[in-house]
Amino acid sequence: ELKVEQNPLFLSMQEGKNYTIYCNYSTTSDRLYWYRQDPGKSLESLFVLLSNGAVKQEGRLMASLDTKARLSTLHITAAVHDLSATYFCAVDAAAQKLVFGQGTRLTINP
Amino acid sequence: EAGVTQSPTHLIKTRGQQATLRCSPISGHTSVYWYQQALGLGLQFLLWYDEGEERNRGNFPPRFSGRQFPNYSSELNVNALELEDSALYLCASSLLMGTDTQYFGPGTRLTVL
Repeated sequence: ELKVEQNPLFLSMQEGKNYTIYCNYSTTSDRLYWYRQDPGKSLESLFVLLSNGAVKQEGRLMASLDTKARLSTLHITAAVHDLSATYFCAVDAAAQKLVFGQGTRLTINP
Repeated sequence: EAGVTQSPTHLIKTRGQQATLRCSPISGHTSVYWYQQALGLGLQFLLWYDEGEERNRGNFPPRFSGRQFPNYSSELNVNALELEDSALYLCASSLLMGTDTQYFGPGTRLTVL
C-alpha cells in the first residue's frame, strides 16, 4: 500500500528566508502533485510533476521530483507572509486514487 | 470558467441519519472524485466516478455510496451516520480519465451530533 510522508509537519519561518518541504513516498508512481490549502478553504493545485527530474516553478515556489529516490521537494525562496498555508503533496496510487501526505503547516512571520 | 461547486456548504445531522452531498464538476470534466478530510486523519480518497460508472473506491464501508449523473454531476450519500463521519468532504474533477490534475471544490462540512 502506498504511503506518503511529509516533513516537517509544522514549519515556522521568518520572511525572507528559504526553506524546503520534503515528500517521500513508498512505491513507484507516475505523478506527484502539490496542493495548497488555506484555513477553512479547499485545495488549490500548485504543481504536477510527471517524470524523473521534473522541476516546476511558480513565483517563490519550486517543486522537483526524483522518482528513483521517491522524493519530491517544495522549495520556498525568500518567503513572504502570503505563503502561509498548509501544503500537501499527493501521489497517484493508480486508478486515479490520490494518496496525500499529512500536510505541512507553514507559518511565515514578519 | 466556473470551478467545482459543492452543496450544501454546511450540513448538520444526527447519528443514524442519512446525508446527501452534491458536486458539480468543471464544465467539460467527466471524472469526479470524493475525498474525506477528517481531523487527525488527513485527506482520504473515497470514490471516483467517470462516465457514470464507479471506477475506484477507497477503504470506506458500504454505507458511503454515490452516483454520477448524465450531466457528470455527482452525489455522495452517507447512510447510518456515525459521529466519526464528521469531516470536510471535498469533491474534485478532472478533464480526462487517468491523465489530468484533480481540481477541488470548496467542500461540504458535515457535522454529526
